[in-house]
Order: sequence, then C-alpha cells, then structure tokens
Amino acid sequence: GEDVEQSLFLSVREGDSSVINCTYTDSSSTYLYWYKQEPGAGLQLLTYIFSNMDMKQDQRLTVLLNKKDKHLSLRIADTQTGDSAIYFCAESPEYGGSQGNLIFGKGTKLSVKP
Amino acid sequence: NAGVTQTPKFRVLKTGQSMTLLCAQDMNHEYMYWYRQDPGMGLRLIHYSVGEGTTAKGEVPDGYNVSRLKKQNFLLGLESAAPSQTSVYFCASSYSTPHEQFFGPGTRLTVL
Repeated sequence: GEDVEQSLFLSVREGDSSVINCTYTDSSSTYLYWYKQEPGAGLQLLTYIFSNMDMKQDQRLTVLLNKKDKHLSLRIADTQTGDSAIYFCAESPEYGGSQGNLIFGKGTKLSVKP
Repeated sequence: NAGVTQTPKFRVLKTGQSMTLLCAQDMNHEYMYWYRQDPGMGLRLIHYSVGEGTTAKGEVPDGYNVSRLKKQNFLLGLESAAPSQTSVYFCASSYSTPHEQFFGPGTRLTVL
C-alpha cells in the first residue's frame, strides 16, 4: 500500500536553511505536495511538484524530487521564526478508481530558534 | 469567499452520544473529504465524495457516516461516539483530482 515517511522533528536557528525530507512509495504519483500547518489551524498548500520535474523553486522554497529513489525534499532558505510549523509531505497515488485523495506523511515539526 | 468552513469548532461528547459535523465550501468544488488528525499519526482519510449524492469510504471509515445532499455541504456523523474518536477533524475540498485540496480550520472533538 501507499506510505509516506518523514522525520518527526527538525530544529534550526533563525537565518539558517531548513531541509525537510520525505520518502514515498507510489511511483505512479503524478503530484507531490508540501503542506504547512500552523498551531490550531488547518493545512495550507505551500508548494507542489509534478512528477516529471526534478526541482521547483518558489521564493525561499526549493523542492527537489528524486523519482528513482522516491525521495522528496523541501528546503526553506533564511528560515524565520514564522516558519515554525508542522510540514506535511503528501502524494496523490494513481491507482484503479483513484478519487483524488492524498496520502499524507505524519508531519515534521520545524522549530526555529532565534 | 469564505473557502472551507467547519462547524462546530469544539465539542465534548459523552460515550454513546451522537453528533454531526458540518463542512461547507463556496468554491463549487466537486470533491470533498473528511480526515482525522491524531498525534503522531498524520492525517487519515475517513470518507470522501466525488460529487453531489455520492460518498465513499476512506482509510478509517468505521464508526462514521457521511452525506452529500448538496454540492457545497459534506456532513460527517457519529452515531454512537467512542473515546477512540477523540481527535481533530478536518474537512477539505478540491476542484478535481489531483488538484490542491483546501482545508477547513478543523473541529476538535473530545469523547469522554
């Protein structure tokens, strides 16, 4: 079955870069997503990458996709205290009868120390 | 444009009581989803709907029922609440697969 794995915690200092890693199992996933959840709030889409891309950059965010190893990473440059949140990796599996649901990892809690 | 709204925001139930969680979206999305979020478990799909009048089971459907009588609303029902259903429930919607899912703010449910 589908499974998305990510480390649970990451702590960085303000101004440093953060790298959050994720591995997934469904090689047929067409899109891979990064969602951000701030305390007490729902999830917000940060960025996504199409499976035929290796990299996507969006301001401070860089997404790298290694399709061979089924590895996805999110790099946040110049991390700020406002980036403290839980980051979820998600894949959209393509299987018979796929109805658009996403498979989420357990989330990585990013703590940014001043 | 309110996006995805959920009512109520908080609720405390006793074991065996019933309740309905309401999700509403004003984006004319076809797909709607109910997830539960538990510590260390991430989000797990309970039920989903691909259009008005249709529903289907997700990963953890037991103990829940859903209805999608109107396109904009997706209801999640608990007929006989159990402590294991203590969780934060999120509703989401999307225009189509595999587009971005928009999430509501969540409902925190405690079952005593």
